[in-house]
Amino acid sequence: AQKITQTQPGMFVQEKEAVTLDCTYDTSDPSYGLFWYKQPSSGEMIFLIYQGSYDQQNATEGRYSLNFQKARKSANLVISASQLGDSAMYFCAMVGGSNYKLTFGKGTLLTVNP
Amino acid sequence: EAQVTQNPRYLITVTGKKLTVTCSQNMNHEYMSWYRQDPGLGLRQIYYSMNVEVTDKGDVPEGYKVSRKEKRNFPLILESPSPNQTSLYFCASSLSAGGYEQYFGPGTRLTVT
Repeated sequence: AQKITQTQPGMFVQEKEAVTLDCTYDTSDPSYGLFWYKQPSSGEMIFLIYQGSYDQQNATEGRYSLNFQKARKSANLVISASQLGDSAMYFCAMVGGSNYKLTFGKGTLLTVNP
Repeated sequence: EAQVTQNPRYLITVTGKKLTVTCSQNMNHEYMSWYRQDPGLGLRQIYYSMNVEVTDKGDVPEGYKVSRKEKRNFPLILESPSPNQTSLYFCASSLSAGGYEQYFGPGTRLTVT
């Protein structure tokens, strides 16, 4: 069975600073994918970034980067230069290569302070 | 506009009264799935479908049914709703299974009394 763990229920960061949201995963699949989604208070789910298990380089999308450490089974999200609009719930998720189930973590509530 | 639509957006019902939440996507996606979101538990996958007529259980399938007769539609059926199925439900679709982003619907808030 695959599992995602997000150990930070809540995080605070000052505007313009960088912040790292932690995510560890567990799976027996040699092939898998890792995602991060953002859920603002309005409720919609917004895709941020994807990392495949065989990707050699860490994924980046604008101010978002995924710090992928395969041996440690971690896939932390780094947000650079935080903005007030980054205040939201952030979910880490993974999909297995054999069964295609999608598993989400419990989320981290990020608050950006002015 | 590429989108996933869900109906209804809000529903209050009583225990035992069968209901269906519809989900439709206009992106010709193969993979569709249903999630429920509960405070402190994140999103949990209920069922997913790799393609037409192919469905499989997610992590919390008990009390739910799905069908995928057409590529664009993936309704969620609660045959006999119970109060513990009160939740926020999301439908999502993606181009295929695996490393593709999920496009989420706006959510359906269901209350079972």
